[in-house]
Amino acid sequence: DAKTTQPTSMDCAEGRAANLPCNHSTISGNEYVYWYRQIHSQGPQYIIHGLKNNETNEMASLIITEDRKSSTLILPHATLRDTAVYYCIVRVGTGGFKTIFGAGTRLFVKA
Amino acid sequence: SQTIHQWPATLVQPVGSPLSLECTVEGTSNPNLYWYRQAAGRGLQLLFYSVGIGQISSEVPQNLSASRPQDRQFILSSKKLLLSDSGFYLCAWSFKGLADNEQFFGPGTRLTVL
Repeated sequence: DAKTTQPTSMDCAEGRAANLPCNHSTISGNEYVYWYRQIHSQGPQYIIHGLKNNETNEMASLIITEDRKSSTLILPHATLRDTAVYYCIVRVGTGGFKTIFGAGTRLFVKA
Repeated sequence: SQTIHQWPATLVQPVGSPLSLECTVEGTSNPNLYWYRQAAGRGLQLLFYSVGIGQISSEVPQNLSASRPQDRQFILSSKKLLLSDSGFYLCAWSFKGLADNEQFFGPGTRLTVL
């Protein structure tokens, strides 16, 4: 599976959009981009995933570049409860056992 | 709806003692099951996964073992704990096949080995 690169930490003001980047330059054609987040002392929570088209759900939007070498997770109106570690993962669609969690990005949402 | 349970929530054990952590899933059948460990301030490391009763795959060599005696029960064990076994242990499940997109995590067990 391809590896991902994310910034170690980011800050965001409450109510503003949080844009979390992820680099996955070695992604294969059959690999999806997944995002999870982990609030302190809890299990990770799935956010969104996509292959090549941009995706949006009630939690976030996922923007994938045309060459698929990078993506951005967007939380449109960040709240204090969005403070968490965000993991960007690439894996084949039907391969839960291939979900490799890196160090992620620690997002701090500040009032 | 599906739910996943883990217990205990926290555990303090002496070095050399045995370990048994249990995970159960409700509301679904024949799930894929996973055990992860997270060291303090680190990402998650996949320890074991199972696609069915009695079928266990180990991702890393270690002091731990896993068993799946029933369809929705996944157990993590050790005969003798090491200090390095301390961490946050998470159980997860997913659907199979084309629906294997999202992993659903339990609340976790925080293990401290002294």
